[in-house]
Amino acid sequence: KQEVTQIPAALSVPEGENLVLNCSFTDSAIYNLQWFRQDPGKGLTSLLLIQSSQREQTSGRLNASLDKSSGRSTLYIAASQPGDSATYLCAVRFTGGGNKLTFGTGTQLKVEL
Amino acid sequence: NAGVTQTPKFRVLKTGQSMTLLCAQDMNHEYMYWYRQDPGMGLRLIHYSVGEGTTAKGEVPDGYNVSRLKKQNFLLGLESAAPSQTSVYFCASRPWRDEKLFFGSGTQLSVL
Repeated sequence: KQEVTQIPAALSVPEGENLVLNCSFTDSAIYNLQWFRQDPGKGLTSLLLIQSSQREQTSGRLNASLDKSSGRSTLYIAASQPGDSATYLCAVRFTGGGNKLTFGTGTQLKVEL
Repeated sequence: NAGVTQTPKFRVLKTGQSMTLLCAQDMNHEYMYWYRQDPGMGLRLIHYSVGEGTTAKGEVPDGYNVSRLKKQNFLLGLESAAPSQTSVYFCASRPWRDEKLFFGSGTQLSVL
């Protein structure tokens, strides 16, 4: 079964810390992997999309890496700020899965002053 | 540019009632999706559409119907609501050649 797992479910860090969020997936045959941010009561916002042929993508203080062989992706957030507090979700489009994205359950991040 | 708009934002139904959730996008996107989000579970795909007049089943389609009569609108219907359909429903869209998804702000539905 194709699954996406995100551990830990929650994380609290002091402002200014560099941090890494983890995403693992059970099948290395993927089209792409996408990281989203979800604020309470809001929809999801796409942060970074990594195609299967890519190793990483960067946007501002965010960097996402992809290692298909080990079934892992990480989202690196540099110099965290209280405004980064949100739930971060990872989603994978598996080969043979059609149009479906398989989502992880997310990591709830709190950046404290 | 409104993006993806969902109506209503909140709704309470009694078991057996019917309702329709509306999703509208103004980005001329071909693909549209309906997801549900439940505590402790990832978002799950209900139905999707790859273009006007087309629909397809997703992961959890039972109890739901959809229609896409116009390219900008994707409707999700519940014919006879059940408590198991209590959830937050999200609509999303994307253009044909780009897999970056754009989400609406969600509809919180409670079925009593």
